[in-house]
Amino acid sequence: QVQLVQSGAEVRKPGASVKVSCKASGYTFTSYFITWVRQAPGQGLEWMGWISAYNGNTNYAQNLQGRVTMTTDTSTSTAYMELRSLRSDDTAVYYCARVYCGGDCYPFDYWGQGTLVTVSS
Amino acid sequence: QPVLTQPPSASASLGASVTLTCTLSSGYSNYKVDWYQKRPGKGPRFVMRVGTGGIVGSKGDGIPDRFSVLGSGLNRYLTIKNIQEEDESDYHCGADHGSGSNLVVFGGGTKLTVL
Repeated sequence: QVQLVQSGAEVRKPGASVKVSCKASGYTFTSYFITWVRQAPGQGLEWMGWISAYNGNTNYAQNLQGRVTMTTDTSTSTAYMELRSLRSDDTAVYYCARVYCGGDCYPFDYWGQGTLVTVSS
Repeated sequence: QPVLTQPPSASASLGASVTLTCTLSSGYSNYKVDWYQKRPGKGPRFVMRVGTGGIVGSKGDGIPDRFSVLGSGLNRYLTIKNIQEEDESDYHCGADHGSGSNLVVFGGGTKLTVL
């Protein structure tokens, strides 16, 4: 069965960086994209971007460009999301999800369990 | 890009039906929308994709037949019949802006309370 298992909760100070992992299993990793979505406390879902696990091509949300980097390690079927220059409003639960993109993209059909990132001095 | 608007809350009694609405901004009436269920402490769960012709593709894994969708004009609806306690969740709609810009937007979510 398809599973996405994320790394554990993190606490960082403002200005620091965080790297969250997402280990995939149960499907051919390189046939899909991995997308990252976050949810701040009391807020809705916010799309952060996605990466093709096939060729590493990325597309980031405009408001995060320059601070976020998404990568994959095909040898371990793991995706990573690094966010730099953290601010208090980056405090959120971060989710990875699988998505198939051909000409258009299909829904985010399987999700990780979420990783809480807390930014606090 | 489109803006998706959802009422912040909805409620329904156990065993009743409820329809949740996601409204696209003007000019985006041809857009498909994805519905996701978000339960506390769990990752979101894909429910269904909906366009003006109704469901697009298949339901998400394990989504019961009680869940259905419709699309009309700028509105995309998710109807839940015979509501159960486990349906109490936040429901979010999302839309892919298309392969050109590859941007995904979400509505603010609707918190469904089962009375």
